[in-house]
Amino acid sequence: DGGITQSPKYLFRKEGQNVTLSCEQNLNHDAMYWYRQDPGQGLRLIYYSQIVNDFQKGDIAEGYSVSREKKESFPLTVTSAQKNPTAFYLCASRLRDEQFFGPGTRLTVL
Amino acid sequence: GENVEQHPSTLSVQEGDSAVIKCTYSDSASNYFPWYKQELGKRPQLIIDIRSNVGEKKDQRIAVTLNKTAKHFSLHITETQPEDSAVYFCAASIPGNQFYFGTGTSLTVIP
Repeated sequence: DGGITQSPKYLFRKEGQNVTLSCEQNLNHDAMYWYRQDPGQGLRLIYYSQIVNDFQKGDIAEGYSVSREKKESFPLTVTSAQKNPTAFYLCASRLRDEQFFGPGTRLTVL
Repeated sequence: GENVEQHPSTLSVQEGDSAVIKCTYSDSASNYFPWYKQELGKRPQLIIDIRSNVGEKKDQRIAVTLNKTAKHFSLHITETQPEDSAVYFCAASIPGNQFYFGTGTSLTVIP
């Protein structure tokens, strides 16, 4: 998991603004994932991508968008349509069975 | 789709005692079952995993058991230590598909 980085670590957003969370990996993994974690809850899947230029919606994709133009990058945009975006966001990549997580970005809406 | 349930949601044990966390899954196609430990504000870390062709796996004080017929798997931590205090998540995965996570168990080890 040391090969997955997320930035920034903390992010503050005003209501009505779009923000983009960065996720980069140098592990040469094909699959990448975005999860949202709320206090005291598990991980909920937002989007995932099995290969470059392809991605699928997860369970809570509404109000989010992604792109996968490069194998090593999978940015997540939180749009103004997401009504409750304050949460901890985790990016992950996958090699065969195992999933490796980035350090996370904590997003707070002011 | 797959549904993973995890129990208990909170667990307190005395240092040195054992802790057991249980998960059930619904899709018989799931064949990979990892367990993650997450400390406050940190990323989940894989601590042990098991594949569907194995019934039990052990790594020092940690073990996982899998019952494919009943569709449940469990995490066992023996000789617990204060540093074992964290939130533990189970997950189930279908080949080439997404991971499905349990809702987590907050384990507190009392010195």
